Amino acid sequence: KNQVEQSPQSLIILEGKNCTLQCNYTVSPFSNLRWYKQDTGRGPVSLTIMTFSENTKSNGRYTATLDADTKQSSLHITASQLSDSASYICVVGTNFGNEKLTFGTGTRLTIIP
Amino acid sequence: EAGVAQSPRYKIIEKRQSVAFWCNPISGHATLYWYQQILGQGPKLLIQFQNNGVVDDSQLPKDRFSAERLKGVDSTLKIQPAKLEDSAVYLCASSHRVGQPQHFGDGTRLSIL
Repeated sequence: KNQVEQSPQSLIILEGKNCTLQCNYTVSPFSNLRWYKQDTGRGPVSLTIMTFSENTKSNGRYTATLDADTKQSSLHITASQLSDSASYICVVGTNFGNEKLTFGTGTRLTIIP
Repeated sequence: EAGVAQSPRYKIIEKRQSVAFWCNPISGHATLYWYQQILGQGPKLLIQFQNNGVVDDSQLPKDRFSAERLKGVDSTLKIQPAKLEDSAVYLCASSHRVGQPQHFGDGTRLSIL
């Protein structure tokens, strides 16, 4: 069964600090891995999308890494800001015929001043 | 570029009533998705359209849920009759084509009393 597991479930850090969110997946066949940011009451917003051949991708202060051998990904946030408070969802896509996405349950990140 | 528009933002109904949600995707996006997001979980795909044809509706509870995408643009999702377990946020997303980042609307929060 295709699964995406994220850790930690929730995280609280001080403004200005860095943090790393983890994603492990058992989705097969693998096509791509995406990280989304979801603010409370809003829809998810795409941060990064990586294919099998990419092992890192940055979007401003967000840097995602991918290890397709160990089926792990991480999202590193540098110099956190209050606006980074949100849920971060890891999503893995297959490409067996029509693409199917498997969503993780997200990490709830809270930045405190 | 205008984002994905959804309405209404909130809806409260009693069980066994019917409800409909509307989505207007980003102009030119051929692929449209409806997701159900229960509190604390990642989105779950209900149905995927490619233009006005259904690509995947394997997780749509067809005894009570229906969706259409007339003329390959706007889409409506209907629930009839609603059950308590249908309480969730219903998200609409669109993408230029399969494999491209999905752009989400802010969703409709449905509460069943």
